Amino acid sequence: NAGVTQTPKFQVLKTGQSMTLQCAQDMNHNSMYWYRQDPGMGLRLIYYSASEGTTDKGEVPNGYNVSRLNKREFSLRLESAAPSQTSVYFCATLRADTQYFGPGTRLTVL
Amino acid sequence: DQQVKQNSPSLSVQEGRISILNCDYTNSMFDYFLWYKKYPAEGPTFLISISSIKDKNEDGRFTVFLNKSAKHLSLHIVPSQPGDSAVYFCAATRVISKLTFGKGITLSVRP
Repeated sequence: NAGVTQTPKFQVLKTGQSMTLQCAQDMNHNSMYWYRQDPGMGLRLIYYSASEGTTDKGEVPNGYNVSRLNKREFSLRLESAAPSQTSVYFCATLRADTQYFGPGTRLTVL
Repeated sequence: DQQVKQNSPSLSVQEGRISILNCDYTNSMFDYFLWYKKYPAEGPTFLISISSIKDKNEDGRFTVFLNKSAKHLSLHIVPSQPGDSAVYFCAATRVISKLTFGKGITLSVRP
């Protein structure tokens, strides 16, 4: 039982490049989330998905797209990376009244 | 507009003493509050929570107090241990599916 897994763990991009961050969970939870964590900013919600096939914007969705193709997986895509998107990205799932987080992806955009 | 505030960025405490981490919120619609702990290079992990119908919740060494009239909550760790050194995030929600996090506070417990 791996819980919430994220790939890759680290990534360096050049401005304008695209990439997809992957998140998978084996806990059979309906809701999944993408957050970014920046120094002195806490965790900010980018997008979330209440169930398979549905997605909604969070606090900071600009520059990102998401895809919830099945219950297990929720991906975050950067179509044209910008230095302002340098951050640590966390995926999370929800069960009852608690969110469970993955280990994070550290992304640097040069 | 920061709805959940952790105004102290850091706290240093001697091992065995009490650690008190504070959190303030502005949205009176919040009705559920959580504390998460985060070690470097790991994701946040759930620590303890409290519903707005309570004013205290205790779990081992960790106790969360809620003062609704002051829109303030605090996390008490007694006794503090070096392994408690981490970043602690306060979070609040009205609908549990969407959490609003504070900026976090770095706790250092000195041996």
